[in-house]
Amino acid sequence: DQQVKQNSPSLSVQEGRISILNCDYTNSMFDYFLWYKKYPAEGPTFLISISSIKDKNEDGRFTVFLNKSAKHLSLHIVPSQPGDSAVYFCALQTGANNLFFGTGTRLTVIP
Amino acid sequence: GAGVSQTPSNKVTEKGKYVELRCDPISGHTALYWYRQSLGQGPEFLIYFQGTGAADDSGLPNDRFFAVRPEGSVSTLKIQRTERGDSAVYLCASSPPDGYSGANVLTFGAGSRLTVL
Repeated sequence: DQQVKQNSPSLSVQEGRISILNCDYTNSMFDYFLWYKKYPAEGPTFLISISSIKDKNEDGRFTVFLNKSAKHLSLHIVPSQPGDSAVYFCALQTGANNLFFGTGTRLTVIP
Repeated sequence: GAGVSQTPSNKVTEKGKYVELRCDPISGHTALYWYRQSLGQGPEFLIYFQGTGAADDSGLPNDRFFAVRPEGSVSTLKIQRTERGDSAVYLCASSPPDGYSGANVLTFGAGSRLTVL
């Protein structure tokens, strides 16, 4: 039973444009929603998070939006840069510790 | 060290063999996690340690998998009688002591890629 879904396995965006990565979930019990970025041969690195009581959190070029009624999470990157090319995972936290990861979206930013 | 260190980075073994994967977390991080990432999938939770004890081992797929953290720092994931389906990247992560409730930001190692022939 896949609780967290990233339906787009890949996304290509022109440098300078906006990248929008999406994540859908089925369980309403998640407390925090996180995005991780992964480069080849490296572990995932934390990018940004949002609490379930908020609907938006911004950090520089990265903004995360949460729509609880639709059980939908998105990450906006603007402007996109070639160094943003990586696999992005959403990760949903229930309780204090456990994270459930999505399947990932590979973002390619074209110079 | 500054980050989470995992050894070996690559391990090739034959079906039925025993394998140990090691994780050295960030100094001072009391929480340690093991995840498994299969091809085309996201990381899947295996086990979580708080100090020396396994606080949650609900993700271990079967009794061939076992993990220890005897002194509350380095952890070893042990896989007995390996099967081809065990082939994956095994990721270790750590996080600092719970000073407050909030997003659980994990720092991951680069992973150990296990291939079972």
